[in-house]
Amino acid sequence: EDKVVQSPLSLVVHEGDTVTLNCSYEVTNFRSLLWYKQEKKAPTFLFMLTSSGIEKKSGRLSSILDKKELSSILNITATQTGDSAIYLCAVEVIFGNEKLTFGTGTRLTIIP
Amino acid sequence: NAGVTQTPKFRILKIGQSMTLQCTQDMNHNYMYWYRQDPGMGLKLIYYSVGAGITDKGEVPNGYNVSRSTTEDFPLRLELAAPSQTSVYFCASSFLTDFGNTIYFGEGSWLTVV
Repeated sequence: EDKVVQSPLSLVVHEGDTVTLNCSYEVTNFRSLLWYKQEKKAPTFLFMLTSSGIEKKSGRLSSILDKKELSSILNITATQTGDSAIYLCAVEVIFGNEKLTFGTGTRLTIIP
Repeated sequence: NAGVTQTPKFRILKIGQSMTLQCTQDMNHNYMYWYRQDPGMGLKLIYYSVGAGITDKGEVPNGYNVSRSTTEDFPLRLELAAPSQTSVYFCASSFLTDFGNTIYFGEGSWLTVV
């Protein structure tokens, strides 16, 4: 059974701190790993990491894929209150038709 | 650019009632999905479709049915609603490329069964 595990489950930091969120996976036929940010409504796409693109950066957010360790990290520097959200990691596998398996998410709270 | 649109956004159902959650996308994506998200849990796949006329079960299909008569629409039907189906439902669509399969989500439908 495919498995995606995120840690920590919950994290509370002060504004301006840097945070690192972790995602590890055990899947067969890995294709890509995706990070989503979920606030009050639907998850919104952040990054997709594949074998051909193992590091992505957008503003204060960056993510790295470690295919050897079967894991990924999401870094957020100089955090702001607007970064408070649940961050979801998902792994895409190929099994004839593509499937996306999600972790349970990390709830990040930024204190002003 | 509407993206993925779900209706209704909120609904309260009585036990045993039936209803259909509507989902439509205007991005000409071939893949569409229905997920449910329970409090404190990750997204669980209910059903998915790889194109018009083709549907398949996901992880938690019991109590649900889907159809995909057109590329744009992927309705989810709940028959004989049960309290265990109280959840937030997300429809999503994606387009497969050589580099992967980025999924775009609707805003969610909050369903309560009482």
